[in-house]
Amino acid sequence: EVQLLESGGGLVQPGGALRLSCAASGFTFSTNAMSWVRQAPGKGLEWVAAITGTGGSTYYAASVRGRFTISRDNSKNTVFLQMNSLRAEDTAIYFCAKAPLNTVTTGGFDFWGQGTLVTVSS
Amino acid sequence: DIVMTQTPLSLSVTPGQPASISCRSSQSLLHSDGKTYLYWYLQRPGQSPHLLISEVSSRFSGVSDRFSGSGSGTDFTLTVSRVEAEDVGVYYCMQGIHLPLTFGGGTKVEIK
Repeated sequence: EVQLLESGGGLVQPGGALRLSCAASGFTFSTNAMSWVRQAPGKGLEWVAAITGTGGSTYYAASVRGRFTISRDNSKNTVFLQMNSLRAEDTAIYFCAKAPLNTVTTGGFDFWGQGTLVTVSS
Repeated sequence: DIVMTQTPLSLSVTPGQPASISCRSSQSLLHSDGKTYLYWYLQRPGQSPHLLISEVSSRFSGVSDRFSGSGSGTDFTLTVSRVEAEDVGVYYCMQGIHLPLTFGGGTKVEIK
């Protein structure tokens, strides 16, 4: 059974930093691209970042490029999202999502985690 | 960026009746490989999204055959043949052909 378990969310002040983790199990982790998708309170879904299976390629939404960094540790079946220079508009539930293949596009997301809440406020 | 537009914003359906949701993309989602990368997700209240339909019309494992997807190019439809109470939530379409991956704004389905 595929499981994705996010952690690391919390309350942080504007300008601060936070590192999210997503621990995966139930599949061969290194063979799948992974993404982070966020959902602001009461709003829709926004793709944030993606990484290929080996970690060799990363991609970002324009709204987070230069501030967020996605990475993975395939020895620990974990994907990370380092979030720096946080803004109030980054407040959201952050979901990690698994791609069915090692492609960032053309695959969609077949499994999602339960999400972790990030609140940016003073 | 590809803009995904869903209609209607919300839907109130009598149990056992059909429901349809439309999704339109600002560019064709037909890839050079011949596949069309349009997905449908359902987010039940208080839960994370889960996959219903891949590549316009392929039901994901375990998804009821009451759900079907259709369309091509830029116009797509999700149809629920007989709505049940467990179908309530927000439905999202998503394009998977170009980065950034983009979602429709969502359609909230409730039961009358």
